[in-house]
Amino acid sequence: NAGVTQTPKFRILKIGQSMTLQCTQDMNHNYMYWYRQDPGMGLKLIYYSVGAGITDKGEVPNGYNVSRSTTEDFPLRLELAAPSQTSVYFCASSYLGYYNEQFFGPGTRLTVL
Amino acid sequence: GNSVTQMEGPVTLSEEAFLTINCTYTATGYPSLFWYVQYPGEGLQLLLKATKADDKGSNKGFEATYRKETTSFHLEKGSVQVSDSAVYFCALAGGTSYGKLTFGQGTILTVHP
Repeated sequence: NAGVTQTPKFRILKIGQSMTLQCTQDMNHNYMYWYRQDPGMGLKLIYYSVGAGITDKGEVPNGYNVSRSTTEDFPLRLELAAPSQTSVYFCASSYLGYYNEQFFGPGTRLTVL
Repeated sequence: GNSVTQMEGPVTLSEEAFLTINCTYTATGYPSLFWYVQYPGEGLQLLLKATKADDKGSNKGFEATYRKETTSFHLEKGSVQVSDSAVYFCALAGGTSYGKLTFGQGTILTVHP
């Protein structure tokens, strides 16, 4: 049982490049989330999904896109990377979404130069 | 909207000292409250939670009580260890938020031998 896995662990992008951050969970959770963590700040929600085919914006969605074609996978797409997207990105999942614990992946550290 | 305010850090303590990290919140309705911990280089892990007023969450010697009258959820531990050095996040999930978490900015705790 791997839990929540994220790839890559680290990545450096040039301004204007695109990339996809991968997130997979093997716990059959219906809810999945993407957060970003900036230095000295708490985590902010980018997008979330309550099941396959259903996604919605969080607090800071601009510059990102998501899809959820399966229960297990929830990739995050950056189309035109900007320095403001330099951050650590965490994917999380939970079973029911309200009272239940969110399980976090190890994070992807992204630098945009 | 929902918000969480944590005490300013960093906090530096000697081993076996008493720990308090203050957390207050603003939310409509009856949110669930959480403390998450992030060890260096890792993702967040749930430390404890409380889902209704006067509930006490506890785990690994840490405790926090959900105080609706003071809108607080302060984290305490009677005797900290070097291994407790980490970043601690207070968070809440609102009633209709699909489990979306609102985080405080995090408090860095360093425990010296």
